[in-house]
Amino acid sequence: QVQLQESGPGLVKPSQTLSLTCTVSGGSISSGGYYWSWIRQHPGKGLEWIGYIYYSGSTYYNPSLKSRVTISVDTSKNQFSLKLSSVTAADTAVYYCARDRQGFGELLTWGQGTLVTVSS
Amino acid sequence: DIVMTQTPLSSPVTLGQPASISCRSSQSLVHSDGNTYLSWLQQRPGQPPRLLIYKISNRFSGVPDRFSGSGAGTDFTLKISRVEAEDVGVYYCMQATQFPLTFGGGTKVEIK
Repeated sequence: QVQLQESGPGLVKPSQTLSLTCTVSGGSISSGGYYWSWIRQHPGKGLEWIGYIYYSGSTYYNPSLKSRVTISVDTSKNQFSLKLSSVTAADTAVYYCARDRQGFGELLTWGQGTLVTVSS
Repeated sequence: DIVMTQTPLSSPVTLGQPASISCRSSQSLVHSDGNTYLSWLQQRPGQPPRLLIYKISNRFSGVPDRFSGSGAGTDFTLKISRVEAEDVGVYYCMQATQFPLTFGGGTKVEIK
């Protein structure tokens, strides 16, 4: 059974870069057929798709964040990562990693989420 | 971006009674491959979202059959035939036909 777990700092200063890692267990990122996603949820609000990556390294980003986002994959560690640069308070949110079958919104598996607060 | 609009915002329901949530997209969700990539997710309080339905009407593994999805084009519906206490939470529709993937604003299902 595939499980996902987010990790990273819970507090980031404004203008700095938010960095999170999602560790995949119970299955291999390299097995193919899945897109490894980042989704965030502002406090008390709805869901926002940030982007996803295929194990080959192909990435797709939300244009609203594209200039600040980098998603990468490390198949040797069975992890994928999110970097969001030049953060502001508006980036305060719970960040989820998720597994999307075929990249068409079949978000089969989710991490528990990690709250990242942007504050000085 | 495709805008997903859900109604109602909140749905107070008596246990054992049905509930229905509507989701409308700003443009057709029919993909060039002929599929319609409309999913429904449930988020229980304090939990991450969970996939219920994909491609309009396909129940994900382990999802009770009291949940059903229907619709076509731009109008979609999630129905719960008999609401149980564990169904309390927020329900989201999501489209993956066109980038960026977008979600509806959510519908809160609560017990009267």
